[in-house]
Amino acid sequence: SAVISQKPSRDICQRGTSLTIQCQVDSQVTMMFWYRQQPGQSLTLIATANQGSEATYESGFVIDKFPISRPNLTFSTLTVSNMSPEDSSIYLCSVEDQGGRTDTQYFGPGTRLTVL
Amino acid sequence: DQQVKQNSPSLSVQEGRISILNCDYTNSMFDYFLWYKKYPAEGPTFLISISSIKDKNEDGRFTVFLNKSAKHLSLHIVPSQPGDSAVYFCAASANSGNTPLVFGKGTRLSVIA
Repeated sequence: SAVISQKPSRDICQRGTSLTIQCQVDSQVTMMFWYRQQPGQSLTLIATANQGSEATYESGFVIDKFPISRPNLTFSTLTVSNMSPEDSSIYLCSVEDQGGRTDTQYFGPGTRLTVL
Repeated sequence: DQQVKQNSPSLSVQEGRISILNCDYTNSMFDYFLWYKKYPAEGPTFLISISSIKDKNEDGRFTVFLNKSAKHLSLHIVPSQPGDSAVYFCAASANSGNTPLVFGKGTRLSVIA
């Protein structure tokens, strides 16, 4: 399976600021995904990041709040904009199975974000 | 409205015994199911999966059972080991992987030595 790293691993931010989270994969993958896990909740898909095209956002998530970049097949960023305490979560990136199955995904270690 | 439910937030099991983690789903279009294990400060790790054309899949100490009529699946770990202590997430997808994974809230398993 792919090796996925995320930066930063954790951060504490002030309300109203923005944070950009980086996700790096050790092999080329077509699809990368960004998830959020709020305290006590399940993992929720924010968007699918496709190289060379706009990210596809799930219901309840918008590009202005969570802009995503995907400049190449091994890297993506997620920005959490104009943060509020409700954005305090673990943010995870994932990639699809090397065989191309998008329903078997491998996850990075996550970024734990606390907004004060 | 949760489509994937893990009704037990936690489970404690003695080392060497069987751990059974349960998961229920509501969407009859789900056709692929996965279990992930998550340690603190790490991302979820893929554990085992099952397609809706099967009712059982086994990998070492881990076996997943699927009961389509009851919309229920379970993960059996036998024998349980202290290193199995983690949060286990059930996930499902529909349309042979062309729709996003839907996760349950997880069950925290503690294996007591």
